[in-house]
Amino acid sequence: DSGVTQTPKHLITATGQRVTLRCSPRSGDLSVYWYQQSLDQGLQFLIQYYNGEERAKGNILERFSAQQFPDLHSELNLSSLELGDSALYFCASSALAGRDTQYFGPGTRLTVL
Amino acid sequence: GESVGLHLPTLSVQEGDNSIINCAYSNSASDYFIWYKQESGKGPQFIIDIRSNMDKRQGQRVTVLLNKTVKHLSLQIAATQPGDSAVYFCAENEVTSYDKVIFGPGTSLSVIP
Repeated sequence: DSGVTQTPKHLITATGQRVTLRCSPRSGDLSVYWYQQSLDQGLQFLIQYYNGEERAKGNILERFSAQQFPDLHSELNLSSLELGDSALYFCASSALAGRDTQYFGPGTRLTVL
Repeated sequence: GESVGLHLPTLSVQEGDNSIINCAYSNSASDYFIWYKQESGKGPQFIIDIRSNMDKRQGQRVTVLLNKTVKHLSLQIAATQPGDSAVYFCAENEVTSYDKVIFGPGTSLSVIP
């Protein structure tokens, strides 16, 4: 158990809908990272927050957004969902920003029908 | 664009033998590399990392070798056990963005009892 929690574990929704994925980092960790893992794209970095502020951005679509709250939990919002958004979404946390070991949560499996 | 890739998508080894998983990278500016293990149904788990000022780093039963001349790194697992069966990812950290990690496509390791 990495200490990172993600909810929900599974999510099934329809195209065009909007969903919110939630992540609670390990106790004391200030950085939160979001990744998307799909069969054709592999594991892709989406975005990182550090102590409430956006710090790095990767291949995140404009339909997706994220935020980190004062209690350091983070939410990833996916809107106008398409079939291709079906994937595993992982959250990871690290104590600091930069080259600090990232601890991954168990993931949220999103299925868009 | 530049990316991290793996030579072998699948690898089968006999229990007790040593495993070698290879990874090629193309971004000469990358100076930090990480190996992750992902078991079925779980998030990636940090195994070991290495910085570009090193050629070799050892952990418990694992060794990472870095050859900057040919942009290649490998993960060696000694006395492979059934619990080592998983997908292994190499990842690189760009020097221009300390927080963005780029993952390779992964190699599936299967240990034969």
